[in-house]
Amino acid sequence: SQTIHQWPATLVQPVGSPLSLECTVEGTSNPNLYWYRQAAGRGLQLLFYSVGIGQISSEVPQNLSASRPQDRQFILSSKKLLLSDSGFYLCASTRALNTGELFFGEGSRLTVL
Amino acid sequence: AQSVSQHNHHVILSEAASLELGCNYSYGGTVNLFWYVQYPGQHLQLLLKYFSGDPLVKGIKGFEAEFIKSKFSFNLRKPSVQWSDTAEYFCAVNAPAGSYQLTFGKGTKLSVIP
Repeated sequence: SQTIHQWPATLVQPVGSPLSLECTVEGTSNPNLYWYRQAAGRGLQLLFYSVGIGQISSEVPQNLSASRPQDRQFILSSKKLLLSDSGFYLCASTRALNTGELFFGEGSRLTVL
Repeated sequence: AQSVSQHNHHVILSEAASLELGCNYSYGGTVNLFWYVQYPGQHLQLLLKYFSGDPLVKGIKGFEAEFIKSKFSFNLRKPSVQWSDTAEYFCAVNAPAGSYQLTFGKGTKLSVIP
């Protein structure tokens, strides 16, 4: 099975500062990668997904961006954080949703002050 | 866009009670269906999945779910819950089936009282 590593696990940043959350995947190649934001009582909101290096699809307009510089690396970024960016961010990976499951990382909790 | 509805935000049960968590989705075509579970302090993990075939699927820890296409539903069941089932449960729909889209419901928090 796949293993997803996310860091940092916890991050406290001031408003207006930049952000970089990193996700790396082990145990597979050429995965589909996802960034979700999880909020209490609101489930998981899909932010970005990527089917290959340099290929990013955005699901919601927002202050965040994503990049995939390597096959098993997925980065969530922001140039200037907003208070509303606070949340719990999950990286996930799958070979294909019609043959397997989505594997999740342990998440990165971001607090913007 | 597809939507996934989970009817209960928080369910409280005593041990040995039966469980049914509702899940409905809005997509009219072929779908793949999942239930994920998040135990306290742990990351999300797959509980069970439906791709095709028998609409009654069995997952880990005695859980099962039934796909009823006519009702656009994929309800999760367990005949007798345990304290260790205390967790948050998320229904998820891959629609269209085989696409990259996986839409989650808002989750149902289950608390099992010993």
